[in-house]
Amino acid sequence: AQKVTQAQTEISVVEKEDVTLDCVYETRDTTYYLFWYKQPPSGELVFLIRRNSFDEQNEISGRYSWNFQKSTSSFNFTITASQVVDSAVYFCALSEGAGGSYIPTFGRGTSLIVHP
Amino acid sequence: NAGVTQTPKFQVLKTGQSMTLQCAQDMNHNSMYWYRQDPGMGLRLIYYSASEGTTDKGEVPNGYNVSRLNKREFSLRLESAAPSQTSVYFCASSGAAGLPYEQYFGPGTRLTVT
Repeated sequence: AQKVTQAQTEISVVEKEDVTLDCVYETRDTTYYLFWYKQPPSGELVFLIRRNSFDEQNEISGRYSWNFQKSTSSFNFTITASQVVDSAVYFCALSEGAGGSYIPTFGRGTSLIVHP
Repeated sequence: NAGVTQTPKFQVLKTGQSMTLQCAQDMNHNSMYWYRQDPGMGLRLIYYSASEGTTDKGEVPNGYNVSRLNKREFSLRLESAAPSQTSVYFCASSGAAGLPYEQYFGPGTRLTVT
């Protein structure tokens, strides 16, 4: 069975600090996909990134970067120079292909609060 | 494009009442999902529809039924609401059945059962 752990329930930082949100996953499949979603205070979840298990290259998008390490089963998300608009709940999710369904399992989320 | 729409946005029910949550997507997606979100629990899958004409149970299906009315619409019904069903409900869609596409979410329905 697949499982996603986001051990940090809430993180509080001051604007311009860097912050890393941790995501640890468990799966028996060799082919799987990892996702990050953002849920701002407005409530609607927004897709941020998808990675497959065969691509361990780190990804950078502006102030956002993702570090995928199969050796530690982690897919961590770093926000550089955080801003108040980054305040949100962030979810990590895992999809594996057992049975061909690729139904994602979500972590419990990390609430990020960025203070001005 | 509207993406994924949900109605209503808010609802208060009394124990034992029934209601249907409506969801529609205009992205020509094959797969649709219903989740509930409770504090500290993340998103839990209630039901999903991999493609038009099929539905399957998720992690927490008890007390719910679904209908995939057509490719665009996927409704969630509470036949006899219970206080334990107080939650925020999200509908989502994704491109194709059996493929690990990202999901697109609706704005959510905040349901309170008293």
